[in-house]
Amino acid sequence: RKEVEQDPGPFNVPEGATVAFNCTYSNSASQSFFWYRQDCRKEPKLLMSVYSSGNEDGRFTAQLNRASQYISLLIRDSKLSDSATYLCVVGFMNNNAGNMLTFGGGTRLMVKP
Amino acid sequence: GAVVSQHPSRVICKSGTSVKIECRSLDFQATTMFWYRQFPKQSLMLMATSNEGSKATYEQGVEKDKFLINHASLTLSTLTVTSAHPEDSSFYICSARSGQLGKYNSPLHFGNGTRLTVT
Repeated sequence: RKEVEQDPGPFNVPEGATVAFNCTYSNSASQSFFWYRQDCRKEPKLLMSVYSSGNEDGRFTAQLNRASQYISLLIRDSKLSDSATYLCVVGFMNNNAGNMLTFGGGTRLMVKP
Repeated sequence: GAVVSQHPSRVICKSGTSVKIECRSLDFQATTMFWYRQFPKQSLMLMATSNEGSKATYEQGVEKDKFLINHASLTLSTLTVTSAHPEDSSFYICSARSGQLGKYNSPLHFGNGTRLTVT
């Protein structure tokens, strides 16, 4: 089983739609959670950190469920420019190696007019 | 915000040559930088963790003699792909954490990546 799993998609949605992605992680000691966005042939860019109480940034809402070990990303009112791959990133402190981040395989979103 | 600069952005080299990629943190100090490799349609795979002033920590399956990492200062880490072969062609990305040194919940900031093509 992968440490961080995501549905690869693609999710094809019309403009204006609401779309949600889930991500599950296997390490219960995970301490930090992020969503990154990666455009084709570009480096990932931080979209938002995910906090225990859940957090919202404009059209984007992130949730964390520690009991079930998953995080989610909700995008409302999808725009064409939201088309990208969304990477779930989970971090934990390893006593030997220090801070460790593990990337999910990414979920591809395609927003169509 | 925190900026990480990576150079070059694209390189084409012949099989057997070596290629050096630089990763710089421009407005913060990074005791730890990370090197990733990404093949088409796949996610980022951590290759190694680069620690300033000490040896890098390599992930399982990554040859340390082939992928030489040097982290000589708090703002610069280099990755050298030695004796490159076509199968080394990939997208190499570095990253650094801009938060308090060692703080685990600080996000990563990525360089813009280096697309390596070995012919």
